[in-house]
Amino acid sequence: KAGVTQTPRYLIKTRGQQVTLSCSPISGHRSVSWYQQTPGQGLQFLFEYFSETQRNKGNFPGRFSGRQFSNSRSEMNVSTLELGDSALYLCASSPASGSYNEQFFGPGTRLTVL
Amino acid sequence: DAKTTQPNSMESNEEEPVHLPCNHSTISGTDYIHWYRQLPSQGPEYVIHGLTSNVNNRMASLAIAEDRKSSTLILHRATLRDAAVYYCILRDARNNAGNMLTFGGGTRLMVKP
Repeated sequence: KAGVTQTPRYLIKTRGQQVTLSCSPISGHRSVSWYQQTPGQGLQFLFEYFSETQRNKGNFPGRFSGRQFSNSRSEMNVSTLELGDSALYLCASSPASGSYNEQFFGPGTRLTVL
Repeated sequence: DAKTTQPNSMESNEEEPVHLPCNHSTISGTDYIHWYRQLPSQGPEYVIHGLTSNVNNRMASLAIAEDRKSSTLILHRATLRDAAVYYCILRDARNNAGNMLTFGGGTRLMVKP
């Protein structure tokens, strides 16, 4: 089985712009979660989508949003980019949603905001 | 959420066993103990998880204290490829947190040849 894929792998944007990142989960997985990783804050949960519905949301401003399509692919959007949004954005997929499920992470999208 | 405490870093020699400790003194009865690791320039990967009994899989063993206030991830023979940041995470089986993982700082394991 192919693993979790994320596109693009690298992205450079300027302040004020908006960006859309994409995640394709492992085939058959219905849950997709997003995380932000920065040197200062470490790995932080953004949100989880399961069967096209947002299941949980982390403590991030409304500029961060996401969605999931019927084929379980997910996108996250960040509007009005700030310098502090520079980070590695990781997506993880799982067959179902629940605390016993193993998460499979993608390689991440490295976003740089200038 | 119950918190975990791990040493910031540890060092090991190649082909020797490594014991990575995790303290979780406020663990609740329904908290699973999960371990993930993040190799350089990669996303995290699942290692192992357990509730009360010790667990073994192809990657590692998980030893859980009888009072469940601490646990130890055991790599039986460290290789250079095991150099990574190891995260100990508690996940409550009861609550509605879905697949959310709450990562702490983790332990950076360095393996010397």
